[in-house]
Amino acid sequence: DAKTTQPPSMDCAEGRAANLPCNHSTISGNEYVYWYRQIHSQGPQYIIHGLKNNETNEMASLIITEDRKSSTLILPHATLRDTAVYYCIPNAGGTSYGKLTFGQGTILTVHP
Amino acid sequence: EPEVTQTPSHQVTQMGQEVILRCVPISNHLYFYWYRQILGQKVEFLVSFYNNEISEKSEIFDDQFSVERPDGSNFTLKIRSTKLEDSAMYFCASSYEGGQAFFGQGTRLTVV
Repeated sequence: DAKTTQPPSMDCAEGRAANLPCNHSTISGNEYVYWYRQIHSQGPQYIIHGLKNNETNEMASLIITEDRKSSTLILPHATLRDTAVYYCIPNAGGTSYGKLTFGQGTILTVHP
Repeated sequence: EPEVTQTPSHQVTQMGQEVILRCVPISNHLYFYWYRQILGQKVEFLVSFYNNEISEKSEIFDDQFSVERPDGSNFTLKIRSTKLEDSAMYFCASSYEGGQAFFGQGTRLTVV
């Protein structure tokens, strides 16, 4: 499995954009970058994934560098409910059985 | 919105007893998983299940553990003889294709 490096914690003001970085320099060519979050011991929640193009959905945007060695998850207008642990996880997606390897993630705290 | 449901939400059992944790995955999903999270630690993969058989399992998933999909809707995790160190949150997940998994809210297992 590709190794990932994320900052252990970040703060963000409510209403501002939260930009969460992830380094995944050993990612394989067939691996997507998946982002999940876990709100206070609830089940992890899927956010977004991408291969090499930038992606956007109703929850977030994902920016992947051209060399695919790092990515940034953007929550455009963070709310208090976005306080959670955020994980970036390389995964081969539909070509694999989908085992997800969770690291320590980034604890994002959104404050008023 | 379809969701993965787990029962019970909390299970207390005596050391040495057998427990069965139950999950109802999303109906058209093909891949099924169990993960666990010991308090304060990372989410850890236990096992994946596809086409009515185990497709991958971790070192944690030893002979004490088994999984079953008995009736095409439920997906169960059995721990034959529980140990104190089995105390954790157990998350069931399912996906239509590998990578984008939907997690249940978990069963908190406490072994006393």
